[in-house]
Amino acid sequence: RKEVEQDPGPFNVPEGATVAFNCTYSNSASQSFFWYRQDCRKEPKLLMSVYSSGNEDGRFTAQLNRASQYISLLIRDSKLSDSATYLCVGTNFNKFYFGSGTKLNVKP
Amino acid sequence: EAEVAQSPRYKITEKSQAVAFWCDPISGHATLYWYRQILGQGPELLVQFQDESVVDDSQLPKDRFSAERLKGVDSTLKIQPAELGDSAMYLCASSLVGGAEAFFGQGTRLTVV
Repeated sequence: RKEVEQDPGPFNVPEGATVAFNCTYSNSASQSFFWYRQDCRKEPKLLMSVYSSGNEDGRFTAQLNRASQYISLLIRDSKLSDSATYLCVGTNFNKFYFGSGTKLNVKP
Repeated sequence: EAEVAQSPRYKITEKSQAVAFWCDPISGHATLYWYRQILGQGPELLVQFQDESVVDDSQLPKDRFSAERLKGVDSTLKIQPAELGDSAMYLCASSLVGGAEAFFGQGTRLTVV
């Protein structure tokens, strides 16, 4: 079983919609979590860290649920420019584990 | 803004040839990662360094791949001999310490023909 698992999508949503992705992790000892954004054929870029209390950055909100071992990313008021693949990362013993990514297509 | 530097950006090589990639992490970052990413999949860790020491190379195909970070700064990843299945994006990332936020270079896109 992979350390971090994501629904590959694609999620096809209209502009202005709210969309949420979940990511599950298998190791309850995982310490830190992140969301990365990756555009086609580009490198992953850090979107946000995920804290136990939840955190928000503009239209983006990340949540961590340790009891159920998942993290989530909520995007409000989707923009065309949000179209990308969103990668979930969990860390364990200072090692990074990536999910396979969830593809988001925001359509006009 | 500090960046992770990688070169070359693109590399085409023939099967059975040797190929090498270079990475210069963000200054002061002790942890350096090499990942391989096949289109449509998430990055797969090949090797992780803490300073000049290898922390994890469990997924590195050691019969053909090698990596070094001799002075604990920049790093080289080598493949010899290259195989068709090695065609992928090779990404380097660095972080202050292991498990902290990591920042990626632009990657090297390798095509083996």
